[in-house]
Amino acid sequence: NAGVTQTPKFRILKIGQSMTLQCTQDMNHNYMYWYRQDPGMGLKLIYYSVGAGITDKGEVPNGYNVSRSTTEDFPLRLELAAPSQTSVYFCASWTGGRVSYNEQFFGPGTRLTVL
Amino acid sequence: DQQVKQNSPSLSVQEGRISILNCDYTNSMFDYFLWYKKYPAEGPTFLISISSIKDKNEDGRFTVFLNKSAKHLSLHIVPSQPGDSAVYFCAASVGNNDMRFGAGTRLTVKP
Repeated sequence: NAGVTQTPKFRILKIGQSMTLQCTQDMNHNYMYWYRQDPGMGLKLIYYSVGAGITDKGEVPNGYNVSRSTTEDFPLRLELAAPSQTSVYFCASWTGGRVSYNEQFFGPGTRLTVL
Repeated sequence: DQQVKQNSPSLSVQEGRISILNCDYTNSMFDYFLWYKKYPAEGPTFLISISSIKDKNEDGRFTVFLNKSAKHLSLHIVPSQPGDSAVYFCAASVGNNDMRFGAGTRLTVKP
């Protein structure tokens, strides 16, 4: 199993550009998440999904959009990139249930710089 | 509004000694607490967790203690090893969709 994969690893955007961060998991997990981590800060939840076709906002959703058309994929879309979106983005997944509660598997991250 | 706080940005200990990482929270509704470990250029990996109905959970060298009245949890690593050097994040959740993370503590274990 590859686990959670994210592409690209690094990206530099100009202000106002758009891009999609890709996330794929091969563990058949129902739950998927997008976090951002700013320097010296903890991870903050942007959006999450409890299954294909279902998404919901997290703590910091403004400036982002998501979709979940399949169990495996959970892309994060940035429209009109701003310098405040410079961050490291992590995608995560979790099987659900009470056996391994909230024990999320994380991808390696995408480092995004907006100039 | 930081609901989960790790007040020590860094901690340095000698190999073989105990490492104690601390975490405080403000939301009394949190019912599950986790510790994640992160190496540079990698995503966080799950380490250990504890439900709010318990006050201790042990897994090998790692033990998490929860003090609900003080809204405080701690991670003990005994004995500490150089491979434990990483950033440790405390996290807490209400249900399964709203996990909040602390800012992390960088642990350095010196040989």
